[in-house]
Amino acid sequence: RKEVEQDPGPFNVPEGATVAFNCTYSNSASQSFFWYRQDCRKEPKLLMSVYSSGNEDGRFTAQLNRASQYISLLIRDSKLSDSATYLCVVIGSSGSARQLTFGSGTQLTVLP
Amino acid sequence: NAGVTQTPKFRVLKTGQSMTLLCAQDMNHEYMYWYRQDPGMGLRLIHYSVGEGTTAKGEVPDGYNVSRLKKQNFLLGLESAAPSQTSVYFCASNPDRVDQPQHFGDGTRLSIL
Repeated sequence: RKEVEQDPGPFNVPEGATVAFNCTYSNSASQSFFWYRQDCRKEPKLLMSVYSSGNEDGRFTAQLNRASQYISLLIRDSKLSDSATYLCVVIGSSGSARQLTFGSGTQLTVLP
Repeated sequence: NAGVTQTPKFRVLKTGQSMTLLCAQDMNHEYMYWYRQDPGMGLRLIHYSVGEGTTAKGEVPDGYNVSRLKKQNFLLGLESAAPSQTSVYFCASNPDRVDQPQHFGDGTRLSIL
């Protein structure tokens, strides 16, 4: 089983739709969680951190479920500019070193 | 406001040639990483460093070497390039805090003929 798993998609949704992605992780001791977005042939860019209580940034809502070991990203009122690949990142510690694991990404295409 | 800078941005090599990719960060970050990303695949960690003078192997280290002689620089070397190393290479850095995300450079596109 992969340490971090994402549904690769693609998700094709019409403009204005609500779409949700999940990301599961295997290490129950994981400490920090993030969502990145990556546009085609560009570097990953931080979208938002994921806090235990859930957090929102405009149209984006991130949630963490430690009991079931998954994080989610909800995008409301999708825009064409939201088309990208969304990567989840899970961070834990192994001894004195942090371990950072990327999911392989979920591709989203928002259609006009 | 440079952040993480990678050089070069593009390079074409012939099989067997060697080259070094440079990553520089101006944020005083402890941790630095080199990833490769191939079409349709996620990021794969090649090597990383937890501080000046230290390096460690990641998921796909074979065929690559790294050095971190200065805190702000992390070098990735290909001693004898192979076509399988054609990829987009990303460098990243972050401070030594578990709640801090990575900052990425904008990538180096490397083709080995």
